[in-house]
Amino acid sequence: RKEVEQDPGPFNVPEGATVAFNCTYSNSASQSFFWYRQDCRKEPKLLMSVYSSGNEDGRFTAQLNRASQYISLLIRDSKLSDSATYLCVVNLPQAAGNKLTFGGGTRVLVKP
Amino acid sequence: DTEVTQTPKHLVMGMTNKKSLKCEQHMGHRAMYWYKQKAKKPPELMFVYSYEKLSINESVPSRFSPECPNSSLLNLHLHALQPEDSALYLCASSHDSGSSSYNEQFFGPGTRLTVL
Repeated sequence: RKEVEQDPGPFNVPEGATVAFNCTYSNSASQSFFWYRQDCRKEPKLLMSVYSSGNEDGRFTAQLNRASQYISLLIRDSKLSDSATYLCVVNLPQAAGNKLTFGGGTRVLVKP
Repeated sequence: DTEVTQTPKHLVMGMTNKKSLKCEQHMGHRAMYWYKQKAKKPPELMFVYSYEKLSINESVPSRFSPECPNSSLLNLHLHALQPEDSALYLCASSHDSGSSSYNEQFFGPGTRLTVL
């Protein structure tokens, strides 16, 4: 089983619609969680950290469910510019330092 | 300013060449990272430096040699690479090497490496 798993998609989303997708992680000791977005041939850019109580940043809402070991990302009022690959990232603390484990990414295509 | 810079943007090298990738950040971060990313795959961690000391080496072949001259700079020295080493090499930095949700990693634009 992969440490961090995501539905690769693509999720084809009409402009203005809402889309949501999850990510599951296998290690219950994971401490911190992030969503990054990555555009084609570009670097990953931090979208948001995911806090235990859930958090919202504009049209984006992230949730953490520790009991079921998943995090989710919801995008409201989708824009064409939201088309990207969304990477779920989990931090498993190690004695040696901060090691992020990436999911395979969920591709989102927003269409007019 | 959450900027991490990397040079060069593109690099083509032969299997007998020696080259170096450079990364710089001026955010006062004390942890820096090298990742390798192949097409349609997520980034894979190669090395972690914490307070200028190598803290994690993910069993990377010795033809990749990292160096951290100071807290703002990170280099990756390349020697005798193979064609399968062609990839996007990403540098990242974070405040420190802790695992807090507030200790996000910020990525540079990457160096796209082609080994002939």
